[in-house]
Amino acid sequence: EPEVTQTPSHQVTQMGQEVILRCVPISNHLYFYWYRQILGQKVEFLVSFYNNEISEKSEIFDDQFSVERPDGSNFTLKIRSTKLEDSAMYFCASSEAPAGLSGAGNEQFFGPGTRLTVL
Amino acid sequence: GIQVEQSPPDLILQEGANSTLRCNFSDSVNNLQWFHQNPWGQLINLFYIPSGTKQNGRLSATTVATERYSLLYISSSQTTDSGVYFCAVEYGNKLVFGAGTILRVKS
Repeated sequence: EPEVTQTPSHQVTQMGQEVILRCVPISNHLYFYWYRQILGQKVEFLVSFYNNEISEKSEIFDDQFSVERPDGSNFTLKIRSTKLEDSAMYFCASSEAPAGLSGAGNEQFFGPGTRLTVL
Repeated sequence: GIQVEQSPPDLILQEGANSTLRCNFSDSVNNLQWFHQNPWGQLINLFYIPSGTKQNGRLSATTVATERYSLLYISSSQTTDSGVYFCAVEYGNKLVFGAGTILRVKS
């Protein structure tokens, strides 16, 4: 069964360093998302992406964050200068159709996550 | 923005028991998903259920969109059912998650 994959599974970095988290969405999906979960808390939306553009972003997704689809398969999240409070599990998700439409095509499927630790 | 509330926050069950988890939401939504977060942190899709009832083995879910709630039923619970159960509703171009129900099933 097709699945979303993410690399690395764990990333440890020093405060102020740049990190890039990578995701390979399900191959026929066109809509991509990043979420994060601080330890012990709920899952929070960061950004949605379609057709090489950001569709929606949350207040968390400030100028330190950026997303890119560098080729036909990868979807990346970059944090330019990491802070201690960026430590979290980061999930990539994808869907066939966009959120907001009726129909099973917009069911979102999640990758296994990247656990980011900022020291 | 929309509020998503889950209850109970914690639940301890003896293996073999049944349980009902609830998700209330404060505004109309197009779609709703239930997830199980396993001990390794992975979010496993359980149901995509904007309305009506679905069943998958020992699990079933019902969403009453007009009354803005959804229920997840777990029957004959097993220790492998332990973890956190999240409901998430579609709002705009995103999923908005509840705080989850932590389920512990004891053998």
